[in-house]
Amino acid sequence: QQQVKQSPQSLIVQKGGISIINCAYENTAFDYFPWYQQFPGKGPALLIAIRPDVSEKKEGRFTISFNKSAKQFSLHIMDSQPGDSATYFCAASIQGAQKLVFGQGTRLTINP
Amino acid sequence: DGGITQSPKYLFRKEGQNVTLSCEQNLNHDAMYWYRQDPGQGLRLIYYSQIVNDFQKGDIAEGYSVSREKKESFPLTVTSAQKNPTAFYLCASSNRLRETQYFGPGTRLLVL
Repeated sequence: QQQVKQSPQSLIVQKGGISIINCAYENTAFDYFPWYQQFPGKGPALLIAIRPDVSEKKEGRFTISFNKSAKQFSLHIMDSQPGDSATYFCAASIQGAQKLVFGQGTRLTINP
Repeated sequence: DGGITQSPKYLFRKEGQNVTLSCEQNLNHDAMYWYRQDPGQGLRLIYYSQIVNDFQKGDIAEGYSVSREKKESFPLTVTSAQKNPTAFYLCASSNRLRETQYFGPGTRLLVL
């Protein structure tokens, strides 16, 4: 119930294409869903986050789509660039719980 | 500059040795966390602390110990009881009122 399942494990996209990473959860008490971006040898950094009262949130080329009934959320990277090559983690938490549950990560490679 | 610092960047442990990883933050955050990252397994929570002089076990606390004597500092000791310590260790902090966690640059622990 506390798990967040992320797919795919790795993804290769051509420059200019759309990268899509999916996450699914079981615990309906989760109410905060952030995405983190991690470059090799560095710590993860918050990319974008959403709460379940909205179905979509967009920041630049990055969009989170949220489907509450399906208990799924996804990250879309439009016009993917080689600089987007990194590992992406979805996560979820319950308000006030102070703990994040992370997905397994997706290694994204953007080919030039 | 506000942020989280971790030291050392690389740490080598000999058999039977305890080693301590440092984590310091100047963000005035109440909560601090330690994660372990292994390839393909995402981030796993070792310990977390919501306030000075208090901390809780995460999902993989065995073989690790922590202390929280100051708000700014949350050192992690990898004890000799941890039989497979080779990993990338990440420290994070968050404001008690928000879920966003900010990560340090990490420490890579290797066994000699």
